Amino acid sequence: AQSVTQLDSQVPVFEEAPVELRCNYSSSVSVYLFWYVQYPNQGLQLLLKYLSGSTLVKGINGFEAEFNKSQTSFHLRKPSVHISDTAEYFCAAISGGYNKLIFGAGTRLAVHP
Amino acid sequence: DAGVIQSPRHEVTEMGQEVTLRCKPISGHDYLFWYRQTMMRGLELLIYFNNNVPIDDSGMPEDRFSAKMPNASFSTLKIQPSEPRDSAVYFCASSPTGSSTDTQYFGPGTRLTVL
Repeated sequence: AQSVTQLDSQVPVFEEAPVELRCNYSSSVSVYLFWYVQYPNQGLQLLLKYLSGSTLVKGINGFEAEFNKSQTSFHLRKPSVHISDTAEYFCAAISGGYNKLIFGAGTRLAVHP
Repeated sequence: DAGVIQSPRHEVTEMGQEVTLRCKPISGHDYLFWYRQTMMRGLELLIYFNNNVPIDDSGMPEDRFSAKMPNASFSTLKIQPSEPRDSAVYFCASSPTGSSTDTQYFGPGTRLTVL
């Protein structure tokens, strides 16, 4: 089945600590991969995307993600988080031959002072 | 650019009533998508349009759901009759083309509560 799996539903972390949000994709989806962020009561905003080329992708707000084909993973990282990073993060992949996004279940990042 | 605009932001209705959600995509974007977000099922694609034509509606849950795009700047998602299990946040998104590499831009969503 085509799927995107986010391994952690919630990740609590203290401010200024590093964080990694994990995402695995099934081999049946394409390797066009995305991370979106959803702040409370808002729509989704693109953080970064991997289409091809360098496996390390840099996005907005200091986030980056690494595409690992052998492990079918696309983990999101930030070396030092802020309170304002508290949000829900969605990993997504393109399914099929057109722009159809398959989303993971989401990871709620809670940054504590 | 104002981004994708959705209205209303919140809708509370009673079971059996008709509900209409509205979306204005970003000007110049040829593709429009409707998603539903629930705790149980996460984010699901309901339907998408290309140049106002519905292309894939396989995600529409039942015949009670219908979507239209009468012109390039307006789309509606209608539920008739509504049921409590339709309670969810409904997002509209648009993208410039249908390319797999395109970014989809999301609206703020409509939170629907069916009592």
